[in-house]
Amino acid sequence: DGGITQSPKYLFRKEGQNVTLSCEQNLNHDAMYWYRQDPGQGLRLIYYSQIVNDFQKGDIAEGYSVSREKKESFPLTVTSAQKNPTAFYLCASGTFGRFFGQGTRLTVV
Amino acid sequence: DAKTTQPPSMDCAEGRAANLPCNHSTISGNEYVYWYRQIHSQGPQYIIHGLKNNETNEMASLIITEDRKSSTLILPHATLRDTAVYYCIVRASGSSEGAQKLVFGQGTRLTINP
Repeated sequence: DGGITQSPKYLFRKEGQNVTLSCEQNLNHDAMYWYRQDPGQGLRLIYYSQIVNDFQKGDIAEGYSVSREKKESFPLTVTSAQKNPTAFYLCASGTFGRFFGQGTRLTVV
Repeated sequence: DAKTTQPPSMDCAEGRAANLPCNHSTISGNEYVYWYRQIHSQGPQYIIHGLKNNETNEMASLIITEDRKSSTLILPHATLRDTAVYYCIVRASGSSEGAQKLVFGQGTRLTINP
């Protein structure tokens, strides 16, 4: 089936550790996006990529990094520099990020 | 980017039509109105979008006023599974960097009551 797969669904990490969230799509989309959602809030854009080997910062890129070495993959690394990493992370692809994955809930303890 | 204003919450009885309003008074002529919904702890789900004509699909209908400053999403026969947060989004205008993103506000929390 075509779609966007985020893994894992739940992730726990110790404070100070970097962690990488996976996002894979088989929809042949050029554009991919990462959003962050905090409880009771809307989505905020972290990074986006419109083509392989290219990406741009979104509204809240500090403390995050991405890579886009393959069209189908857009991993997000939450670094130790991110002050409040605990959140729900959503990956999207397609024009305007129309298609979303089911999210990864990251908890830093 | 054009901003949207939605009521924070609404209630609707099961089986009735749910009408969700959205104001977007600063919308530009080439900007579309998109509607998404998000069920708790899941990714947003696309519902419908339109430019100036009314649109209908298997999920909902979208009514856009003639001046395009507001719109209404209609769920014709709401079910309990329609309980979710509904987002009205205006597509961000393109910048030189090509930031074709969707800007999500806080949406409307729709509760369908039995």
